[in-house]
Amino acid sequence: EADIYQTPRYLVIGTGKKITLECSQTMGHDKMYWYQQDPGMELHLIHYSYGVNSTEKGDLSSESTVSRIRTEHFPLTLESARPSHTSQYLCASSIPWKTNEKLFFGSGTQLSVL
Amino acid sequence: KNQVEQSPQSLIILEGKNCTLQCNYTVSPFSNLRWYKQDTGRGPVSLTIMTFSENTKSNGRYTATLDADTKQSSLHITASQLSDSASYICVVSDRGSTLGRLYFGRGTQLTVWP
Repeated sequence: EADIYQTPRYLVIGTGKKITLECSQTMGHDKMYWYQQDPGMELHLIHYSYGVNSTEKGDLSSESTVSRIRTEHFPLTLESARPSHTSQYLCASSIPWKTNEKLFFGSGTQLSVL
Repeated sequence: KNQVEQSPQSLIILEGKNCTLQCNYTVSPFSNLRWYKQDTGRGPVSLTIMTFSENTKSNGRYTATLDADTKQSSLHITASQLSDSASYICVVSDRGSTLGRLYFGRGTQLTVWP
């Protein structure tokens, strides 16, 4: 299994603050992803990266931004947090498996914006 | 529209009993179907991955079946344990892009009572 770490696990902040959610993996996976998940709802892809200096927006529009300067690190930043950003954010990385990818998830960051 | 529908939405069973969770999908083209287990406040963990040519795949007490003709899958849990309490998510992948886009169901919330 891959080792993929997210910090912080929980974050409560006020509106307008800038925040960065950290995600690191130690398996050397090239592909990494950020998903957003609300209670009882499906995961939505908000960002992904194929490797260093590669970032793309996902299916769900998000005001967050990401960067990929190092293979192992894929942080997500919100310049000005709002209550609508309250959600669980899941980071994942993947390795090739047959014709697709095997996905490994971190434990998530539960963000609450007051 | 590509969709993944899971039923039931929630399920309560007694420890030691068996249960079956259902997943119907309309995703096309189809590449593979995955079942994940997500504990509360954690990231999903992969249970099984099946391609169109695989009808059944087991992982311990978990057995997944796939009928690619009817676009249905089931996850059978045998001799349930308290630790099986979690959300079980069905995920279908298409072949429409190199990313192998993933379509997530909303999950079935399983509660196992002693």
